[in-house]
Amino acid sequence: ELKVEQNPLFLSMQEGKNYTIYCNYSTTSDRLYWYRQDPGKSLESLFVLLSNGAVKQEGRLMASLDTKARLSTLHITAAVHDLSATYFCAVELDSGYALNFGKGTSLLVTP
Amino acid sequence: DVKVTQSSRYLVKRTGEKVFLECVQDMDHENMFWYRQDPGLGLRLIYFSYDVKMKEKGDIPEGYSVSREKKERFSLILESASTNQTSMYLCASSLLGTGLYEQYFGPGTRLTVT
Repeated sequence: ELKVEQNPLFLSMQEGKNYTIYCNYSTTSDRLYWYRQDPGKSLESLFVLLSNGAVKQEGRLMASLDTKARLSTLHITAAVHDLSATYFCAVELDSGYALNFGKGTSLLVTP
Repeated sequence: DVKVTQSSRYLVKRTGEKVFLECVQDMDHENMFWYRQDPGLGLRLIYFSYDVKMKEKGDIPEGYSVSREKKERFSLILESASTNQTSMYLCASSLLGTGLYEQYFGPGTRLTVT
């Protein structure tokens, strides 16, 4: 059974600081997705990582994938309040149609 | 612009009622999914469908059924609603194919069963 673990699950950080969210998964995959969810809203796609070593950046967020370590990271640079949200990673299996989601990391950026 | 719509944003039903949640996508996607989201539990897959009239159980199918008669529409049915089915329900769709499984989500239906 595939396990997708994110840590931390809760993160409170000050504006201007840097931090990394980790997504570990338990089986072979080289395709991983990151989503953002604002409170009371649905999920929106942030990044799609489709190979080992893939790196994608959008504004203050950068995602990377290391398939050998079965690890993806979402790095936040100089956090701002607008980044407060819950972030989910999701892994695509070779044999499946669906994505397997982590439990999400709830991020709060404070002044 | 891609779009997944759900029939209701908020729904209140009584225990024992039959409940229908509708989802429509306009992207000609093969795959459609129903999740429920509960605090601390993340997203849990209820059912998905990769083609018309095809369905596959997800992680928590008990108490639910689905219907997909047309490619663009995927319905979730609670045969006899119970209070433990109070939750946020999210529908999603995606293409079919390796590396193409980026899912597009609807706005969600917050269902309360009293």
